[in-house]
Amino acid sequence: QSALTQPPSASGSPGQSVTISCTGTSSDVGGYNYVSWYQQYPGKAPKLMIYEVSKRPSGVPSRFSGSKSGNTASLTVSGLQAEDEADYYCGSYADSNYVFGTGTKVTVL
Amino acid sequence: EVQLVQSGAEVKKPGESLKISCKGSGYNFISYWIGWVRQMPGKGLEWMGIFYPGDSDTRYSPSFQGQVTISADKSISTAYLQWSSLKASDTAMYYCATIPNSGSYLPDTFDFWGQGTMVTVSS
Repeated sequence: QSALTQPPSASGSPGQSVTISCTGTSSDVGGYNYVSWYQQYPGKAPKLMIYEVSKRPSGVPSRFSGSKSGNTASLTVSGLQAEDEADYYCGSYADSNYVFGTGTKVTVL
Repeated sequence: EVQLVQSGAEVKKPGESLKISCKGSGYNFISYWIGWVRQMPGKGLEWMGIFYPGDSDTRYSPSFQGQVTISADKSISTAYLQWSSLKASDTAMYYCATIPNSGSYLPDTFDFWGQGTMVTVSS
């Protein structure tokens, strides 16, 4: 199972929006509505931000949203804040396996 | 509050064995799948496998099948990841994480994560 493809980096100024893509295949992202997004600060454990494509766990700010079209899922962070600067990974159920994305470093300019 | 507390950092030599742990609290340990995720230095996340403490059902990623063993002691709410013969390429941070659902599509997401255990394998 190959890793899902994410852009290595993304950036935006405070208050702007940034969207990260996550491209897979019909055997993972495109085949199931079990796409998740994780935020990871340097030296820290990942944190679940979005599950089942667009659902937010309790406590995750509403400026984080997820969507999916075909084999590509997206995470949008609206109203960027300095604390959003982190690595973001997508993940998807994949035919009895699980596959993570390659990761995207989000920089707040 | 759900908490997963992992054992401390380890430094081992190639060929040695190792078992690291992940103790769960704040939830019914035997009723939720728990998984392990590897992160090599400066790299991304990789799913290794999952374990259901209720009946010891275990599923491995094809990439890690035969390379590691996942188990648990439900009497002390602790999951384990073990190696019989470490390699330098096993040097990584290892995370445990819970899976909230137990439906047909497993694993579907990882909700609560441990703090990670750094394993360094060097001669």
